[in-house]
Amino acid sequence: DAGVTQSPTHLIKTRGQQVTLRCSPISGHKSVSWYQQVLGQGPQFIFQYYEKEERGRGNFPDRFSARQFPNYSSELNVNALLLGDSALYLCASSGSPGETQYFGPGTRLLVL
Amino acid sequence: GQQVMQIPQYQHVQEGEDFTTYCNSSTTLSNIQWYKQRPGGHPVFLIQLVKSGEVKKQKRLTFQFGEAKKNSSLHITATQTTDVGTYFCADNTGKLIFGQGTTLQVKP
Repeated sequence: DAGVTQSPTHLIKTRGQQVTLRCSPISGHKSVSWYQQVLGQGPQFIFQYYEKEERGRGNFPDRFSARQFPNYSSELNVNALLLGDSALYLCASSGSPGETQYFGPGTRLLVL
Repeated sequence: GQQVMQIPQYQHVQEGEDFTTYCNSSTTLSNIQWYKQRPGGHPVFLIQLVKSGEVKKQKRLTFQFGEAKKNSSLHITATQTTDVGTYFCADNTGKLIFGQGTTLQVKP
């Protein structure tokens, strides 16, 4: 079975632009979480979705938004990009919140 | 908010030496998950500890959960070059709260 997939793998944007990152969970998993990992640090929780409902939100500004689709895939949107948004964005899926989360390969975003 | 502290930040060992990373919290941990992230890669799930005092082993890796559920450790016996990477602990409260990670370098 395929693991968590994310697209694109790499992305270069300029300040002020908007970006959309995509994630497909492991088949059968209904929960998707998004994390931001800045170089040299541990991943920081951004959002969690379960059954298309937002179940949790981390300490990130309103420029960050997400949604989950009926097929349980998810998108993370970031508006008005800042240089500090440069990071590895990780998607993780689990059967339900609280179960083990399995990470995708991530999207490396560089904001110039 | 809740913080999970992990030490040391870096560890350089000679191949064959042992390695330990420690994870601590001022509040009771829900359950601890350990992940390994290779350079340029993504976190890969290693194990989950749920019960107070729990000890689990995976080949050369030994994971422990403290009696008070406020700390955890990962010990690697006789490190190999394939053990290189960053090891993270994370408290699983539904969302994962990660420690800062310990980066292990192994000299052959």
